[in-house]
Amino acid sequence: KQEVTQIPAALSVPEGENLVLNCSFTDSAIYNLQWFRQDPGKGLTSLLLIQSSQREQTSGRLNASLDKSSGRSTLYIAASQPGDSATYLCAVGRQGAQKLVFGQGTRLTINP
Amino acid sequence: DTAVSQTPKYLVTQMGNDKSIKCEQNLGHDTMYWYKQDSKKFLKIMFSYNNKELIINETVPNRFSPKSPDKAHLNLHINSLELGDSAVYFCASSQDLAGGWSPLHFGNGTRLTVT
Repeated sequence: KQEVTQIPAALSVPEGENLVLNCSFTDSAIYNLQWFRQDPGKGLTSLLLIQSSQREQTSGRLNASLDKSSGRSTLYIAASQPGDSATYLCAVGRQGAQKLVFGQGTRLTINP
Repeated sequence: DTAVSQTPKYLVTQMGNDKSIKCEQNLGHDTMYWYKQDSKKFLKIMFSYNNKELIINETVPNRFSPKSPDKAHLNLHINSLELGDSAVYFCASSQDLAGGWSPLHFGNGTRLTVT
């Protein structure tokens, strides 16, 4: 059974810092990994999707990496801004199973 | 233009009642989903439909019945509501079956409170 863990549960940093969010999963037989952002009272917004054959994906100030063998992914946010404050969730898609398994999320606060 | 829209946003009802949540997507996607987010913020899949056909039914009580009249709509009907059904329910869609190559697009959620 796939389990996805995100540590820390909450993170608070001053504006302008670079930061890394972590995601680990127990079963390396994944098809892809997705990072989402959730704002309070809103749905999830897809940020990056990494296929199992890829090592990383970049979008603007965001960079996501994937290491299947160690069961880890990181989301790197450069030059953080208060608008980046949100909960960030990772989810893995398991090969052969048409569903995503989500982590519990990291609640990020960027202080002006 | 809202890509995935669900109604209502809030739903407060008493135990034993029957309620429905509606979801529509205008992205032309083939697959739609219902996810449940509990009080601890865990998101878990409930159902997925691909072109109106049920693909995933994830150990959900029979009181929950999804209906997909066409591939742009996936409604969720809940019978005999229980306190434990209180949660936020999210509708989502994707071009292919999740776990594939396309990201999920989520609605803004329906907060269900059962009293």
